[in-house]
Amino acid sequence: SQQGEEDPQALSIQEGENATMNCSYKTSINNLQWYRQNSGRGLVHLILIRSNEREKHSGRLRVTLDTSKKSSSLLITASRAADTASYFCATRAAYSGAGSYQLTFGKGTKLSVIP
Amino acid sequence: NAGVMQNPRHLVRRRGQEARLRCSPMKGHSHVYWYRQLPEEGLKFMVYLQKENIIDESGMPKERFSAEFPKEGPSILRIQQVVRGDSAAYFCASSPLTQGFDGYTFGSGTRLTVV
Repeated sequence: SQQGEEDPQALSIQEGENATMNCSYKTSINNLQWYRQNSGRGLVHLILIRSNEREKHSGRLRVTLDTSKKSSSLLITASRAADTASYFCATRAAYSGAGSYQLTFGKGTKLSVIP
Repeated sequence: NAGVMQNPRHLVRRRGQEARLRCSPMKGHSHVYWYRQLPEEGLKFMVYLQKENIIDESGMPKERFSAEFPKEGPSILRIQQVVRGDSAAYFCASSPLTQGFDGYTFGSGTRLTVV
């Protein structure tokens, strides 16, 4: 089964720096989504990129998708202490039918932004 | 719009007891998905339900776990005779349709601790 794998597992940066997280997956996808999870809290949907898109922006977030390499990156520019959280990529399979609605999550990247 | 509501937020059960986790989807959403997150892991799909129907329970353990989404009221995830390995965060998500939606809305989760 496909699985998103984020790297690095943990990332520590100074406030104001950019943070880049990567995600790799194994099989064809319909879309790839990034979620944020603050410690002990639920998931917040950040951004979705479809398989026919290469780049997407939302505020300080920039997501790229390379389907030939089966990888995606999430860039957070001008980071803030409030960005400290775990970030997960999740993929939705390209096929339709049973199971296609499931999201497959990676283990996440723990981002620490030091004030 | 109150979003996806899960309760309780925290639940402590002794080994052998039953755990009942509730999820009320967003208004207008008739599809509910349950995911489990073990410590330091990503989310894993458990079950997908529509009103009065289990569509896919392929991610759910065969024994002790059951889920329902009645015509009226919240979706319930039930774990009988809990064991320590059931300790995890259980998240519910909802969506208005299975195809073409733009990402799930997750609840804040129920953190189950089995002592």
